[in-house]
Amino acid sequence: GNSVTQMEGPVTLSEEAFLTINCTYTATGYPSLFWYVQYPGEGLQLLLKATKADDKGSNKGFEATYRKETTSFHLEKGSVQVSDSAVYFCALSDSLGALNFGKGTSLLVTP
Amino acid sequence: DTAVSQTPKYLVTQMGNDKSIKCEQNLGHDTMYWYKQDSKKFLKIMFSYNNKELIINETVPNRFSPKSPDKAHLNLHINSLELGDSAVYFCASSQLPDRAETQYFGPGTRLLVL
Repeated sequence: GNSVTQMEGPVTLSEEAFLTINCTYTATGYPSLFWYVQYPGEGLQLLLKATKADDKGSNKGFEATYRKETTSFHLEKGSVQVSDSAVYFCALSDSLGALNFGKGTSLLVTP
Repeated sequence: DTAVSQTPKYLVTQMGNDKSIKCEQNLGHDTMYWYKQDSKKFLKIMFSYNNKELIINETVPNRFSPKSPDKAHLNLHINSLELGDSAVYFCASSQLPDRAETQYFGPGTRLLVL
């Protein structure tokens, strides 16, 4: 079956540090890959997505590349801000659109 | 305008009660979903409807019954509530039930069963 594994948190970084959150997946077929972000007390928002191998998703300074050879979709940002503090979820979607989520990585950015 | 809305936002109830959560989307989407987020923040799909028809029904106890009166609404009714049902329930919608589609999430309903 489909599954997503992402690095455990919490991750604590100083402002302007480089961020990497690792995500690997197992899937049959050709899934799409997503990063969603959840701010405290809120629902999930799409951060970026990639629908086929070698696609790069990017938004608000965050990037992730769909790597089929390593079954990975790592999230990166060159310089994090305090406002990036949130929980980040890697997910893949199957043919019916259902999202399979990783367990989430909590990020805390300190001034 | 809120794209995906849920009511109520908070729900505190006793074991054994029956409760409903409502979801509405004004995005004109055809597909709606229910997800459950447990205390460790793990999210899992429960149900999906496309154009009022059930297309995904994960291994959820039959105490949970979704109902879609029209494309813009997907409600979740829970019978005989148990302690383990305490969680945050998220509704989401997408244009189509397709792997490439972006899902838009509601703010969540925080259910606490005492």
